Amino acid sequence: AQTIHQWPVAEIKAVGSPLSLGCTIKGKSSPNLYWYWQATGGTLQQLFYSITVGQVESVVQLNLSASRPKDDQFILSTEKLLLSHSGFYLCAWSPAGPNTEVFFGKGTRLTVV
Amino acid sequence: GDSVTQTEGLVTLTKGLPVMLNCTYQTTYSPFLFWYVQHLNEAPKLLLKSSTDNKRTEHQGFYATLHKSSSSFHLQKSSVQLSDSALYFCARGTNAYKVIFGKGTHLHVLP
Repeated sequence: AQTIHQWPVAEIKAVGSPLSLGCTIKGKSSPNLYWYWQATGGTLQQLFYSITVGQVESVVQLNLSASRPKDDQFILSTEKLLLSHSGFYLCAWSPAGPNTEVFFGKGTRLTVV
Repeated sequence: GDSVTQTEGLVTLTKGLPVMLNCTYQTTYSPFLFWYVQHLNEAPKLLLKSSTDNKRTEHQGFYATLHKSSSSFHLQKSSVQLSDSALYFCARGTNAYKVIFGKGTHLHVLP
């Protein structure tokens, strides 16, 4: 069975500080990987997707970047946090190919102060 | 354009009653439709999925039927429980490695 692990579980960071969030998926070779952002009680906004190692596509610009250094790892980062970056960040995977469902990790709760 | 519409932001009802959460979509090709459920402080989980026209799909007492003629995929349950209180998202797949989510419907079940 596939498992997806996100870290950290929660972060409180200062405005202007850097950020790095990560996720690792086990039990699935060459998955599609995604980053989503959710404001409290809000909808799910896709930020990035990656269909292969080293290739990441941006869906929406929020002064964030993403990288996929390994087949099973996806990193979300920024050098300078904004207050608007607060929210719930979810890493997700899907089987290869488009038009499929995504499966979410447990998420990282980020509070920017 | 491509979109998913959930008309209710909040649905409140007493346990034991039936519920229907509305979902309509726009797309120019044959879609996969999904329902996700998100309990408080948890990640969304896949509840149902379908790409077959007029076929009912069921899971954990919830059911939905994809109707391509009306572009709808409404979620139903015949008798809601307190544990069904959660945020429900309708979503659909795309050909561009993107799952589009609706705004979500909060279901609040009263004792």
